[in-house]
Amino acid sequence: ETGVTQTPRHLVMGMTNKKSLKCEQHLGHNAMYWYKQSAKKPLELMFVYSLEERVENNSVPSRFSPECPNSSHLFLHLHTLQPEDSALYLCASSQEIGGANYEQYFGPGTRLTVT
Amino acid sequence: QKEVEQNSGPLSVPEGAIASLNCTYSDRGSQSFFWYRQYSGKSPELIMSIYSNGDKEDGRFTAQLNKASQYVSLLIRDSQPSDSATYLCAVNMGAQKLVFGQGTRLTINP
Repeated sequence: ETGVTQTPRHLVMGMTNKKSLKCEQHLGHNAMYWYKQSAKKPLELMFVYSLEERVENNSVPSRFSPECPNSSHLFLHLHTLQPEDSALYLCASSQEIGGANYEQYFGPGTRLTVT
Repeated sequence: QKEVEQNSGPLSVPEGAIASLNCTYSDRGSQSFFWYRQYSGKSPELIMSIYSNGDKEDGRFTAQLNKASQYVSLLIRDSQPSDSATYLCAVNMGAQKLVFGQGTRLTINP
């Protein structure tokens, strides 16, 4: 579980706040991902980065802004969120973005509540 | 049609029995398949990956893949109460797209 870490683990924010979620992987992987997990819905892929380059933006609203300064760190910047954005936000990493090295490993997640 | 479908359950299995979890997927070209276990309040944990038709065994877990039928399953032998969790099926549909099913909630009854 310490291979991928996320901070904070819990976050409560108002709709006018700006906050950031942080993810760090210690596995030497080249790809990192942000997912959203809401109650009663499947995991939704938000963003994919490979070697710090964004390769997938899954129609995510602009109030979510990712940043990947290097292959070990990933951020999700949040601003003017809506209550329906309340969810568990999960970071994951994999060795590569395809092939046999595509196994993704998840961090513990950030439980976000928007009030 | 959902891209990855699982029976949401709950699936209730007596301790010591075999739990069978099923998953179907829509993309016939998919090549990589994964099973994750998620305990309540925790993040998904990878337990099995399978890439070729047939069976793959790891301890009490066996993954089965049938690409012609677009079907992947997970068998858990000698089920334990600690196996009670939600099991997520995930399918690689393209280089960057891992699509998850809604998950099957499994309960092992002592």
